Amino acid sequence: AQKITQTQPGMFVQEKEAVTLDCTYDTSDPSYGLFWYKQPSSGEMIFLIYQGSYDQQNATEGRYSLNFQKARKSANLVISASQLGDSAMYFCAMRELYNFNKFYFGSGTKLNVKP
Amino acid sequence: GAVVSQHPSWVICKSGTSVKIECRSLDFQATTMFWYRQFPKQSLMLMATSNEGSKATYEQGVEKDKFLINHASLTLSTLTVTSAHPEDSSFYICSAGTRSGSNTEAFFGQGTRLTVV
Repeated sequence: AQKITQTQPGMFVQEKEAVTLDCTYDTSDPSYGLFWYKQPSSGEMIFLIYQGSYDQQNATEGRYSLNFQKARKSANLVISASQLGDSAMYFCAMRELYNFNKFYFGSGTKLNVKP
Repeated sequence: GAVVSQHPSWVICKSGTSVKIECRSLDFQATTMFWYRQFPKQSLMLMATSNEGSKATYEQGVEKDKFLINHASLTLSTLTVTSAHPEDSSFYICSAGTRSGSNTEAFFGQGTRLTVV
């Protein structure tokens, strides 16, 4: 079974609007971490936000927030006030404590911000 | 945050030759480094995990004799693509972890775009 599922291969959003990128995950490990990375065309992986499985509150980092719904096993990324520079690939990833070394990545969502 | 430097950022080589890619942790000791491969418009796939001073652990389906990984020091891991063929053309990216094991510590290099002609 897929560990990380991103069902939106591509998304469009108008500049200054908010957008939600979906991510669901599958694990039986009670301790895990969820990550979102941005990958621009240059290829580098830019860390955006992290959510631990035991964190009570949703993570926020500037314009990024993570809508963590543990029972539904979802970790959606919300980008508020989209900017043209937000156009990139976005990857959701998970790391399990029992298999700490391994990152599982989703297939990614290509976000295009329209002026 | 910590810095992981990957070199070269791009390389073009002839079929049959070998290519070495370096991954350095610049300001921390990386006990574990990970090598990923990414085909165009696809996700990152873990190829192998290298631990300083020991043999790398390869993921299923990855040829260990083709993708040689060396992690000789706490700041350097290398991936050598031996006898490269056009199908090895891809984006290779490394990441580094530290001994403290915090879930928030995952630093990626800039990636290397390999083209085999």
